[in-house]
Amino acid sequence: KQEVTQIPAALSVPEGENLVLNCSFTDSAIYNLQWFRQDPGKGLTSLLLIQSSQREQTSGRLNASLDKSSGRSTLYIAASQPGDSATYLCAVPTQAGTALIFGKGTTLSVSS
Amino acid sequence: DAGVTQSPTHLIKTRGQHVTLRCSPISGHKSVSWYQQVLGQGPQFIFQYYEKEERGRGNFPDRFSARQFPNYSSELNVNALLLGDSALYLCASTPFSGQGGQPQHFGDGTRLSIL
Repeated sequence: KQEVTQIPAALSVPEGENLVLNCSFTDSAIYNLQWFRQDPGKGLTSLLLIQSSQREQTSGRLNASLDKSSGRSTLYIAASQPGDSATYLCAVPTQAGTALIFGKGTTLSVSS
Repeated sequence: DAGVTQSPTHLIKTRGQHVTLRCSPISGHKSVSWYQQVLGQGPQFIFQYYEKEERGRGNFPDRFSARQFPNYSSELNVNALLLGDSALYLCASTPFSGQGGQPQHFGDGTRLSIL
């Protein structure tokens, strides 16, 4: 049974700092891995999707990497800003591809 | 283009009542999935529908049911509400079903509070 874990559960950093969020999964046979952002009380915004054949994806100040063999993904945020404060979730599809399995998320707070 | 839309935004019910939540997928998307997110947890999969047929079901009791309409919109129904059903209910859409390589697009959710 696939399980997704995110460490740390919460992170506080000063503005301008570079940071890394971690995601691990137990079954390496995944189609892809998706990173989402969630603002308080809101829905999920897709940030990056890495296909199983890829090693990383970049969007602006965000860079996500995927190491299937070790069951790990990282989300790197460069030059963090207060507007980056949110909960970040990673998710992988089930084998049937009909559902996503999520971690519990990392809540990021960036202070000015 | 409009994204995934959900209604209502917020809902307050009492124990024992039933509730219907609605979702309209992105234009051209034929698959809709429902998730439940309780405070402090990641979303948990409830159902996926594609072309009006159930394609996946999560570990939820029979009090939860759903359906999809010919225009691909969907309803999630929950009967005999319990306090533990208080959560954010999220809807996601994809063009097709069972293709794990495609990204899922989420709506803003319906916040359900049970008193």
